[in-house]
Order: sequence, then structure tokens, then C-alpha cells
Amino acid sequence: KAGVTQTPRYLIKTRGQQVTLSCSPISGHRSVSWYQQTPGQGLQFLFEYFSETQRNKGNFPGRFSGRQFSNSRSEMNVSTLELGDSALYLCASSTQGPGNSPLHFGNGTRLTVT
Amino acid sequence: AQSVTQPDIHITVSEGASLELRCNYSYGATPYLFWYVQSPGQGLQLLLKYFSGDTLVQGIKGFEAEFKRSQSSFNLRKPSVHWSDAAEYFCAVGPTVHNNDMRFGAGTRLTVKP
Repeated sequence: KAGVTQTPRYLIKTRGQQVTLSCSPISGHRSVSWYQQTPGQGLQFLFEYFSETQRNKGNFPGRFSGRQFSNSRSEMNVSTLELGDSALYLCASSTQGPGNSPLHFGNGTRLTVT
Repeated sequence: AQSVTQPDIHITVSEGASLELRCNYSYGATPYLFWYVQSPGQGLQLLLKYFSGDTLVQGIKGFEAEFKRSQSSFNLRKPSVHWSDAAEYFCAVGPTVHNNDMRFGAGTRLTVKP
């Protein structure tokens, strides 16, 4: 079974731009969660989608948004990028959602904002 | 509020020595507990999980963890460390009350000396 695939692996953007990250979950997994990982804040939960609906949201500003398609693939969008948005963005899929079932992570997208 | 504490930021052990990584949680209900490992430039990989039942759980790569409710701990152990075990280890607990998400500890970085 193929694992979780995140594209692209690396991104460099400038302040004020917007960016879209993509995540393809493991086949059969309906839950996709997004996390931001930084050295200072660790792993922080962004949001979770289940069957195309945002089910949970972390404590991030509205510049961070996402969506999920009918094939469970998910995209995350960050608008009006700030320097502090530089991070590793991890996507994880699971059968029932974070906390209730193990998460399977992709290798992440490393976003650098200059 | 739910929280996960990994008291050790960085641990160094010699190859072949035993390992114990500490994890304490603060949680109002019976938690689901997880240990993940992250190698540089990679996403997180599930080592083991505890949902219920036997409090000593076996995972991949020779790791095990013991759930101790009285101590609110879920420490990760390995009897003999290999150089390839050098990585960052994250303890996680879920689901949380307010969000159906998984809360991660800050991580413990393991260095293995030859």
C-alpha cells in the first residue's frame, strides 16, 4: 500500500505571497490532518478533514485554510505569507481521525518564507 | 487542559546500551497513547500505541512502552540501542476533549555514540 504523499517537498516563497500544499492519503483513509512543525513550537495541529468536511481546527489564523476532495486528497493554503510561517508542514492520514487511530505521516513540505 | 511532557530534550546513549525515554501526560480520561519517531528530513513513523488492555505494549524496531496510570506515564524502552535509532522521538496522547486531535510532546532527540 502506498504511503502518504506530500508535494512539493520544498518551497521558497516571499512575504505576502500565497502557497498551496498537497497531500494524498493512504488509500481507504478518510481523515487527513495537517500539522505545522517548527523548532520553537514543536508539532502544532492545524486542522483535520474527514469525508470532505473540516471536522476540527487548531489555533491558527484564518490565513491558513484547507480542503478535501472526494478522493480524500487534501490541500492546504496559506495566504499572505509571513516570515513566521516558515516551517515543515506535515500531513497525516488515518482511518478515524487523530487521537482515535494512529496517524500515518507524509515526509512533509518544507516551506521557507523570505 | 490536556498536556504531554517529555522531560528530556536530548539524550545520548552508547550503542548497545539500554534506553528509556520518558513521557508524562495530564489527561482527564483514559487516553490513547502513542510513540512516534522522526528521522531527519522525514515525517513521523508510528512505533507503538496503547488503547487498552495489557499495559506493556510492543512496537516495531524492538521498542516497547509501559502504561502506568498511577504515574501518568508512558515511557518508551529498548534493551539495546542501535546506531540507526538516532532520531527524534515524540510521545502523543489523544483524543483531546475540545478538539478531536492528537497532542504531541516536545520531543526527545536521541544521539547514539559508537
